Amino acid sequence: SQKIEQNSEALNIQEGKTATLTCNYTNYSPAYLQWYRQDPGRGPVFLLLIRENEKEKRKERLKVTFDTTLKQSLFHITASQPADSATYLCALGPRGSTLGRLYFGRGTQLTVWP
Amino acid sequence: DTEVTQTPKHLVMGMTNKKSLKCEQHMGHRAMYWYKQKAKKPPELMFVYSYEKLSINESVPSRFSPECPNSSLLNLHLHALQPEDSALYLCASSQGISGAGSNEQFFGPGTRLTVL
Repeated sequence: SQKIEQNSEALNIQEGKTATLTCNYTNYSPAYLQWYRQDPGRGPVFLLLIRENEKEKRKERLKVTFDTTLKQSLFHITASQPADSATYLCALGPRGSTLGRLYFGRGTQLTVWP
Repeated sequence: DTEVTQTPKHLVMGMTNKKSLKCEQHMGHRAMYWYKQKAKKPPELMFVYSYEKLSINESVPSRFSPECPNSSLLNLHLHALQPEDSALYLCASSQGISGAGSNEQFFGPGTRLTVL
């Protein structure tokens, strides 16, 4: 069956360090992968998208990589700040007839402490 | 305007009530979505509308009835819900739906629904 796994439910790091979040998938062939941030009681907010033919994307302190051989995406936040504390969700956009559908992982709750 | 709005923010209803959730966007997006999210779980897709037509129904029970009156509005009509339907209901929109495109989704803040 299809599965998306995000490395851990919770990740705690010290301010200033780099946070690395992992998204692994099985039995998918995604055309693209997206990362979202979600704060408690709020809707997810889009952060970055990476397509299957791209290895890396950057936006300010954020970097995402995509390895279709390993079936894995890594999401990095450099120089992390307490304001980065949130749940981060990866979402896969499958190819084919399932247009408009995004499959979300469970998310990783990141806490950045001062 | 890059916002998706949802009303109400909170809703408490009994199992025999009929209520509606509303969603609005003015970004010119042609695809709109309803998701259900339980605590500490990922959003689960319920329905997708593309150009005001229902294109995906994820086998959602008929007690949930979506409606797209125009390209900016999306409603979710609720009737005879069960306590297990209590969740955060999220609306989202995107420029379109395409297997090859990006189509990042813009989410509203959600409606917190409690069914008694």
